Amino acid sequence: GQQLNQSPQSMFIQEGEDVSMNCTSSSIFNTWLWYKQDPGEGPVLLIALYKAGELTSNGRLTAQFGITRKDSFLNISASIPSDVGIYFCAGRIGGATNKLIFGTGTLLAVQP
Amino acid sequence: EAQVTQNPRYLITVTGKKLTVTCSQNMNHEYMSWYRQDPGLGLRQIYYSMNVEVTDKGDVPEGYKVSRKEKRNFPLILESPSPNQTSLYFCASSTRVVNEKLFFGSGTQLSVL
Repeated sequence: GQQLNQSPQSMFIQEGEDVSMNCTSSSIFNTWLWYKQDPGEGPVLLIALYKAGELTSNGRLTAQFGITRKDSFLNISASIPSDVGIYFCAGRIGGATNKLIFGTGTLLAVQP
Repeated sequence: EAQVTQNPRYLITVTGKKLTVTCSQNMNHEYMSWYRQDPGLGLRQIYYSMNVEVTDKGDVPEGYKVSRKEKRNFPLILESPSPNQTSLYFCASSTRVVNEKLFFGSGTQLSVL
């Protein structure tokens, strides 16, 4: 089945640093989503992207839908300790179902 | 408060002993789904349901069953659990079939010995 390659697998940074992570696929998606999973909780939607080339921000987070529709990236500026968690990208091909293909996740640790 | 509730949060069992993980949502969502999360593999869909009495297999359905007798509930059944089903399980729901805004439960950590 389709797979999303997410990188890096993990990041250990200092508070205040900027963070960048990305997802790539061999398939074309018509929607890209970014979720965050806090420790001990389920994923929560951060940003949704619907058009190739779209750039969307949510506070310190910025995500882009790649022009080829096969990739997306997420940037976090000026990281803070509460940014700790696992970040997942997810892509939707379309059709009648709500099926999302999830990336493998990026574990982010922020040292105060 | 709008939420997806899973029970139990933690479960340790032995091989072959049937178990059920419950999932309930209070948002009147049509769509519900089960995922398992494993290190390095992300979230993989087990089963999903588009409405009452309508269920379908996801990517990794082997060893699992589901039912959708009522709109709010979507239990996950393991008839004969095996150690390779040790995982973190998430239930999720959304309003419409093509709505990407999935709401996730807090997860069930299952260990099969």
